[in-house]
Amino acid sequence: KAGVTQTPRYLIKTRGQQVTLSCSPISGHRSVSWYQQTPGQGLQFLFEYFSETQRNKGNFPGRFSGRQFSNSRSEMNVSTLELGDSALYLCASSSRTGGNGNTIYFGEGSWLTVV
Amino acid sequence: EDKVVQSPLSLVVHEGDTVTLNCSYEVTNFRSLLWYKQEKKAPTFLFMLTSSGIEKKSGRLSSILDKKELFSILNITATQTGDSAIYLCAVSTYGGATNKLIFGTGTLLAVQP
Repeated sequence: KAGVTQTPRYLIKTRGQQVTLSCSPISGHRSVSWYQQTPGQGLQFLFEYFSETQRNKGNFPGRFSGRQFSNSRSEMNVSTLELGDSALYLCASSSRTGGNGNTIYFGEGSWLTVV
Repeated sequence: EDKVVQSPLSLVVHEGDTVTLNCSYEVTNFRSLLWYKQEKKAPTFLFMLTSSGIEKKSGRLSSILDKKELFSILNITATQTGDSAIYLCAVSTYGGATNKLIFGTGTLLAVQP
């Protein structure tokens, strides 16, 4: 069973540009979450989608957005990139959301460098 | 504000040593606590804990949760160089149908041969 797949793995963008990252969850999983990981802030929650609906959103500016498709694949977009957006962006999937606790699996991440 | 604190921030041990990593939390409506191992890639799931006092075990790794004192420990016995990684603790809370995790800053473990 394939794990969580993220593309692209590495990318370099210029300030002011926008970027789209893609995530394919584990087959059968309907919950997809996104996290930003930086040395200073650690892992911070961006948002979660379940059945194409945004279930929760972290404290990030509106430049960060996402969506989920009917096949559970998800994309996140960052517009008007800033140097501080340089980070590892991790996608996580789970079969359910809510309930009494769910096992959550991470992809290998997309390394974004903004220059 | 919900908070997860891990200690120590880093430690260096020798192969064969036993280590204990700590995770304390202050959150509203605790649901579960998860441990992950992160090398140079995806955080790898280790354990999910929801009940106090029940030890989860996988090989040389084990973990237990104390919901009264609001902490968890991760034990690694007979450490190997392959255990070198960042160990992340994360907490999930009730409050709507969501899988949002609140992470600690992690503990960097280095195992020397």
